[in-house]
Amino acid sequence: GAGVSQSPRYKVAKRGQDVALRCDPISGHVSLFWYQQALGQGPEFLTYFQNEAQLDKSGLPSDRFFAERPEGSVSTLKIQRTQQEDSAVYLCASSPRDSGGQPQHFGDGTRLSIL
Amino acid sequence: AQTVTQSQPEMSVQEAETVTLSCTYDTSESDYYLFWYKQPPSRQMILVIRQEAYKQQNATENRFSVNFQKAAKSFSLKISDSQLGDAAMYFCASQRLGGSEKLVFGKGTKLTVNP
Repeated sequence: GAGVSQSPRYKVAKRGQDVALRCDPISGHVSLFWYQQALGQGPEFLTYFQNEAQLDKSGLPSDRFFAERPEGSVSTLKIQRTQQEDSAVYLCASSPRDSGGQPQHFGDGTRLSIL
Repeated sequence: AQTVTQSQPEMSVQEAETVTLSCTYDTSESDYYLFWYKQPPSRQMILVIRQEAYKQQNATENRFSVNFQKAAKSFSLKISDSQLGDAAMYFCASQRLGGSEKLVFGKGTKLTVNP
């Protein structure tokens, strides 16, 4: 596709439910990143993939958060037993290769609201 | 650890005038990149400009330029001939080379352009 695609665009869930957020990176992009953006804040790093390998998950806030990219393309961010503090915009970004300075291309994000 | 500080939560400018957005950062890395991203209400983060830390020459992209002061760890963005379409949140970000190459963002500056 032309850009990074994220779905759904909006997700409302009740506290305690599990949710799954999808990211389709730009075709051929090696690196994939997930960020969490709380209201009125800058994005904060969650996790990073290089192809199918999850090389950095230091930003995941708890073991309720899980991300995968099994075939090195589409990625899914899963949040189990959601809590109100999980409400945020979740941004996915991809870049062409793993060498530094490559601009990250962002999707439109998924706005997650936990009731 | 890297940190990025944007001390101006909001700025405003008259159409066709010039405005400067401030950013300071802290890093122990010798090799890194700095970025300015724009986020309109549509939520998609759009790259405005990037600077390689080892390059002394300030980056320029059309009406956008930076004032990079490495010793002071300052990276301000100047927007010349401001246009209504420039209204958005602007985020400064740093990226170290090697490792996960995640972006570390500031909290953002909301820019309003007055007609």
